[in-house]
Amino acid sequence: GQSLEQPSEVTAVEGAIVQINCTYQTSGFYGLSWYQQHDGGAPTFLSYNALDGLEETGRFSSFLSRSDSYGYLLLQELQMKDSASYFCAAMTTDSWGKLQFGAGTQVVVTP
Amino acid sequence: DTEVTQTPKHLVMGMTNKKSLKCEQHMGHRAMYWYKQKAKKPPELMFVYSYEKLSINESVPSRFSPECPNSSLLNLHLHALQPEDSALYLCASSQAGHLTSGANVLTFGAGSRLTVL
Repeated sequence: GQSLEQPSEVTAVEGAIVQINCTYQTSGFYGLSWYQQHDGGAPTFLSYNALDGLEETGRFSSFLSRSDSYGYLLLQELQMKDSASYFCAAMTTDSWGKLQFGAGTQVVVTP
Repeated sequence: DTEVTQTPKHLVMGMTNKKSLKCEQHMGHRAMYWYKQKAKKPPELMFVYSYEKLSINESVPSRFSPECPNSSLLNLHLHALQPEDSALYLCASSQAGHLTSGANVLTFGAGSRLTVL
């Protein structure tokens, strides 16, 4: 089977930088995705890493190290609207379509 | 059109009722998914359709019956549900094709919030 671990909650002030770590244990790992979900809303795709390194999309960046089975999502210049749950999700080579989500990290942004 | 549309938004049903959840997308995606999500939990995969064929069934009870009438539509038929089935049911779609990067990019609908009395 596969498992993804991420912190349950992170609190930070507006303008700060937050890093959400995700460690995974899975055979046939293919890539790591990140999704944002506001309370009462649908998950929204943020970023995807299949190769080692950093992917930057505006204020959000995602990093992957396959050798360390580790990735992170970096949220910069935090805004109140960034308060949401963030999920890492992985797909494996032997289970196409079976995107496995981590438990989620609740990010709370304070003024 | 970059949306996945789900109806109804809210549904209350008794344990003896039969109802259906509907999902539609016009992005040309050939993979469609049903997820179940409880409060403060991650989405749990239920079913995956690839090119209108059921490719994954995550041991979901038979009281949930999926249907993919065509490449744009996905239904979830509900019958004899239990109160513990109350949850947010999310439909999603993505590009299909084994291990394409697009398969990791799911577009979710807003969900159907189901309450079983």
